Amino acid sequence: NAGVTQTPKFQVLKTGQSMTLQCAQDMNHNSMYWYRQDPGMGLRLIYYSASEGTTDKGEVPNGYNVSRLNKREFSLRLESAAPSQTSVYFCASIEKYRGYEQYFGPGTRLTVT
Amino acid sequence: QQQVKQSPQSLIVQKGGISIINCAYENTAFDYFPWYQQFPGKGPALLIAIRPDVSEKKEGRFTISFNKSAKQFSLHIMDSQPGDSATYFCAASHNQGGKLIFGQGTELSVKP
Repeated sequence: NAGVTQTPKFQVLKTGQSMTLQCAQDMNHNSMYWYRQDPGMGLRLIYYSASEGTTDKGEVPNGYNVSRLNKREFSLRLESAAPSQTSVYFCASIEKYRGYEQYFGPGTRLTVT
Repeated sequence: QQQVKQSPQSLIVQKGGISIINCAYENTAFDYFPWYQQFPGKGPALLIAIRPDVSEKKEGRFTISFNKSAKQFSLHIMDSQPGDSATYFCAASHNQGGKLIFGQGTELSVKP
């Protein structure tokens, strides 16, 4: 049982490049989330998927797109990376019927130059 | 708009002391208040959580105190240990949606 996995762990992009961050969970959770973590800002929700086949915007969705590929996988795409998207990105999943605990992945550290 | 405000930003405590971190929220619809612990290079992990129908919850050395009328809640770490050195985040959510609103984080350092 690996929990929540994320790839890659580190990535450096040039401004304007695109990339997809991958997330997968093996806990059969319904809901999945993407957060970004910046110093002094806590974690801010980018997008979430309450269940397979649905996605919704969070607090800071601009510049990102998501795909809920199946129940296990939820990807985050940066179409044209900007320096302001330099951050640490976390994926999380939750089975709300078990008390709201969100399980986080290890994170992807992204630098945009 | 920051709906959950956390203080202090950083905290240094001696081993064996009490660490106290405070959070205040604005939205009275919040119905779940967790604290997450994050070690460097790792994702956050749930430490302890409380619902607004109780004023206190204790798990080992960790206690949440909740004041619904003041819209404030706090984390107390008793007998703080160097292994407790980490960043702590308070959070809140509502309507069973699972979406968490996080505070800004507190970097705790426990000195031996």
